[in-house]
Amino acid sequence: QVQLVQSGAEVKKPGASVKVSCKASGYTFTSYYIHWVRQAPGQGLEWMGIINPSGGSTSYAQKFQGRVTMTRDTSTSTVYMELSSLRSEDTAVYYCARSVAGRNAFDIWGQGTMVTVSS
Amino acid sequence: EIVLTQSPGTLSLSPGERATLSCRASQSVSSRYLAWYQQKPGQAPRLLIYGASSRATGIPDRFSGSGSGTDFTLTINRLEPEDFAVYYCQQYGSSPYTFGQGTKLEIK
Repeated sequence: QVQLVQSGAEVKKPGASVKVSCKASGYTFTSYYIHWVRQAPGQGLEWMGIINPSGGSTSYAQKFQGRVTMTRDTSTSTVYMELSSLRSEDTAVYYCARSVAGRNAFDIWGQGTMVTVSS
Repeated sequence: EIVLTQSPGTLSLSPGERATLSCRASQSVSSRYLAWYQQKPGQAPRLLIYGASSRATGIPDRFSGSGSGTDFTLTINRLEPEDFAVYYCQQYGSSPYTFGQGTKLEIK
């Protein structure tokens, strides 16, 4: 079945980086865009950016420009999101989600990856 | 950036009743680019409505969406116990793609 499976929970110290993976299966990897959305504890959803797995092009929310990098590996149908210079406010569940094109709703979501930033 | 404001923050209703959730945008959003999601505790969001009024695959017809411009509505008829959750609207027509702050639908 169509699914996005994310890597496990992470605990990082302030100033470190984290890299979360999102492995796609059950569909043609390069036919759908992947977005990253995060949710701080008890808070709402925040869009971080998008990657086109076909060519690798990316677009990031201005808030995360310079700190986030999204990449993909077509050989394993996996997308990665790396966030650097972590601070406590980055503690959140990070989700990947797919859309059929850049400007489309997110129809399939990963299960989420909890990232905790703590000294 | 388009800001989406959802109301009410919390809605207390009983099973069998109708729920009406509102989403107001700070500037006009094409109805092609407005979605609604449902999120239950500990779970990822689930797409309910896209294009303001089209139900996603497998979504029961008691869920319906409407609206245009800056005002959009999610209506849930005949509430079932599994419908009590948090609901988010989202616009995906203009980057950054923004979400509302959510409406919590709780059992009265």
